[in-house]
Amino acid sequence: QKEVEQDPGPLSVPEGAIVSLNCTYSNSAFQYFMWYRQYSRKGPELLMYTYSSGNKEDGRFTAQVDKSSKYISLFIRDSQPSDSATYLCAMGIQGAQKLVFGQGTRLTINP
Amino acid sequence: EAQVTQNPRYLITVTGKKLTVTCSQNMNHEYMSWYRQDPGLGLRQIYYSMNVEVTDKGDVPEGYKVSRKEKRNFPLILESPSPNQTSLYFCASSAPGQGASYEQYFGPGTRLTVT
Repeated sequence: QKEVEQDPGPLSVPEGAIVSLNCTYSNSAFQYFMWYRQYSRKGPELLMYTYSSGNKEDGRFTAQVDKSSKYISLFIRDSQPSDSATYLCAMGIQGAQKLVFGQGTRLTINP
Repeated sequence: EAQVTQNPRYLITVTGKKLTVTCSQNMNHEYMSWYRQDPGLGLRQIYYSMNVEVTDKGDVPEGYKVSRKEKRNFPLILESPSPNQTSLYFCASSAPGQGASYEQYFGPGTRLTVT
């Protein structure tokens, strides 16, 4: 079983839709939870970062962490074609020397 | 501009021909790491470095070497490339004192094909 599982998609939705991206994990030691966005032919860039259960909002993006269920989500409201990218969840432990990434979900927002 | 640069961006080579992919960052980051990205497998860590002259294996180190002689540079060396090393490679760095658990800044990637 992989430490982090993410539905690879692809996911295609119309512009303006609410998008939900999800990851589950098995290691209860994870303390930090991140979402990276990766545009085609680019490196990943950090989108959201949180270390506690609950919701964190940044504009149209909301990151949700449920440590009891070992489940994290990224919600995108009023999705735009410019949101089309691959989204990777990542998790880390303080003092550890790596992040563990999900497989990535390819998202397309259709105008 | 703060950035991580990689060269080359694209490389096609033949089995057994030694190659080096360079990585450089201008943010004075202590932590640097190499990943490979393959379909269905996500990003997997190859090697990482906590500082100059300090390197260690990640999850998939076989067939790769690294060195860290200067803080800004972290080259990835394939002594004898094989077709199973065909992949998209990313270098990343992280802020001083934060290690790997904080934000990592990624380079643009190097697409390597080994025939």
